[in-house]
Amino acid sequence: AQSVTQLGSHVSVSEGALVLLRCNYSSSVPPYLFWYVQYPNQGLQLLLKYTSAATLVKGINGFEAEFKKSETSFHLTKPSAHMSDAAEYFCAVSDEGGSYGKLTFGQGTILTVHP
Amino acid sequence: DADVTQTPRNRITKTGKRIMLECSQTKGHDRMYWYRQDPGLGLRLIYYSFDVKDINKGEISDGYSVSRQAQAKFSLSLESAIPNQTALYFCATSERGSGQPQHFGDGTRLSIL
Repeated sequence: AQSVTQLGSHVSVSEGALVLLRCNYSSSVPPYLFWYVQYPNQGLQLLLKYTSAATLVKGINGFEAEFKKSETSFHLTKPSAHMSDAAEYFCAVSDEGGSYGKLTFGQGTILTVHP
Repeated sequence: DADVTQTPRNRITKTGKRIMLECSQTKGHDRMYWYRQDPGLGLRLIYYSFDVKDINKGEISDGYSVSRQAQAKFSLSLESAIPNQTALYFCATSERGSGQPQHFGDGTRLSIL
């Protein structure tokens, strides 16, 4: 069975600083991986996804993530944080083979951006 | 209009009551899912459906039931609500095929007193 661990339930950065949100996964087959963002009182919105086409994946709002098989990681980064990036972020892995479409989510990381 | 619509957005009710949360979608997706979100636990899958005739239990289905009335509609019921079912509930949809992302509604905040 697959699993996801997000290191750090809260991350705080200054506006303009690098954002790094960590995600490690466990899967017995090559995974499909996703990052979602949740703003207050809203549902989850897809930031980006990894489906084996390229190890560096670019998403919306300037975010990107790099798939590292040797480290079983899929960390999310953004070079310069904006106040509008404050939200909760979720990493997710698809079920084995991806054919059933089920996702297993990490615990979430709340990102705070200080002026 | 939202592609995935959940009703109601907020609900407060009492222990023992039967509750139905509804989800409808205009995306034309076959697959639909129900999750609950609790602080510090992320989202956990309750039920999922691949089409009208297909219903499957997820990770935490006890105390819940679902109905897929049509391709576009997927309802979640709590037969006899209990306080530890207080949570934020999300419906999601996806297309068929491997690696497809899920598309979420805005959630229903349910409080059981």
